[in-house]
Amino acid sequence: QLQLQESGPRLVKPSETLSLTCTVSGGSISRDNYYWGWIRQPPGKGLEWIGTIYYSGKTYYSTSLKSRLTMSVDTSKNQFSLNLRSVTAADTAVYYCVRHRGSVGMVTTLNWFDPWGQGTLVTVSS
Amino acid sequence: QPALTQPASVSGSPGQSITISCTGTSSDVGSYNLVSWYQHHPGKAPKLIIYEVTKRPSGVPNRFSGSKSGNTASLTISGLQAEDEADYYCCSYAGSTFFVIFGGGTKLTVL
Repeated sequence: QLQLQESGPRLVKPSETLSLTCTVSGGSISRDNYYWGWIRQPPGKGLEWIGTIYYSGKTYYSTSLKSRLTMSVDTSKNQFSLNLRSVTAADTAVYYCVRHRGSVGMVTTLNWFDPWGQGTLVTVSS
Repeated sequence: QPALTQPASVSGSPGQSITISCTGTSSDVGSYNLVSWYQHHPGKAPKLIIYEVTKRPSGVPNRFSGSKSGNTASLTISGLQAEDEADYYCCSYAGSTFFVIFGGGTKLTVL
């Protein structure tokens, strides 16, 4: 059974970089047509897609976060990571890593999210 | 990043049916059959309950069904049960500029 687990600092200072890693177990991160993503939920608010990466390294980012965001993948460790720069209190949220079904070809389309990691609350505060 | 429009809340009694709407545009919901729905109990990870507008993952009861008409997708839950009380989110592929957009979420209360 595929499982995803987020790890990283739970407290980040304003203006610094939020870094999280997702470890995938029970399956390969290099499987065709499966991407890997990050979704967050600020306290009291809804879900927000952050970005998605394919095992080849191809990335797809939210337009609202693109200027501060870098995602990477390490196939040897079956992990993918998120770096969000210059954080503010508005970046405080539960961060989920997810498997993201998609299609690869002349036109890439992105589909559903399943499974999800358990989520990790990251607080931005001094 | 645009967002899909959902009602903030819906309610129903056990055994009844409810429908949650998810309104987008001709650039997202209206153009692709790539709408998915997620059930989220607070403190737990969201769960995929509908994908590609109408399909149910293995293990999801057939009380949950999805549909789409034009720019609006819908989730119907029939035979409401107490455990269905949760937040529900729709999501759609939105093309090669915005890629993925979520709805704001709907809180379902089972009376």
